[in-house]
Amino acid sequence: DTEVTQTPKHLVMGMTNKKSLKCEQHMGHRAMYWYKQKAKKPPELMFVYSYEKLSINESVPSRFSPECPNSSLLNLHLHALQPEDSALYLCASSRGTGSGANVLTFGAGSRLTVL
Amino acid sequence: GNSVTQMEGPVTLSEEAFLTINCTYTATGYPSLFWYVQYPGEGLQLLLKATKADDKGSNKGFEATYRKETTSFHLEKGSVQVSDSAVYFCALSAQYGQNFVFGPGTRLSVLP
Repeated sequence: DTEVTQTPKHLVMGMTNKKSLKCEQHMGHRAMYWYKQKAKKPPELMFVYSYEKLSINESVPSRFSPECPNSSLLNLHLHALQPEDSALYLCASSRGTGSGANVLTFGAGSRLTVL
Repeated sequence: GNSVTQMEGPVTLSEEAFLTINCTYTATGYPSLFWYVQYPGEGLQLLLKATKADDKGSNKGFEATYRKETTSFHLEKGSVQVSDSAVYFCALSAQYGQNFVFGPGTRLSVLP
């Protein structure tokens, strides 16, 4: 299995809703990532988990809350989002985070629209 | 800090034309270099990589050579197809630290 699976593919939510994005990989990777991608832009790093511990938070607003229940799963909990948070949210994983182990495998993304 | 610069395009070519997308980088030490491709409505897929100077990465007819003397990793393909239409991202993984740095992306359109 060489895939990163993200659900849902599309999500529409209001500004008062609470929703979650889910990501799963079964490649034995020990690092998992959340990226945000706006139209015609490269992905922007949000969070990195290494061995199930949060190792990087790129000053992301608290309305985004990541969770890594185990080494195969990564969630992104969403609450009180703003319309400008509408974007493609990409999950990625890698064997590790050191040089040589840091080849990212991406999921297909969850396209979020905040009304 | 580490950075990646690439031509932003859009690049429009006719089918069977030769493709070059330039990429240069700034990094300390010896980074690994990558090209990722993003087809419409999808996530990013690794296209090819090179981990040390003079390495050539290749896949699906695409090639790129890690040139440390010019800090470049230009993507080339001898004959593009309509199915190659996508956005191409050059990226580096720093020798030290966790960060993965992407270039701004180059949109390629191939016309029949």
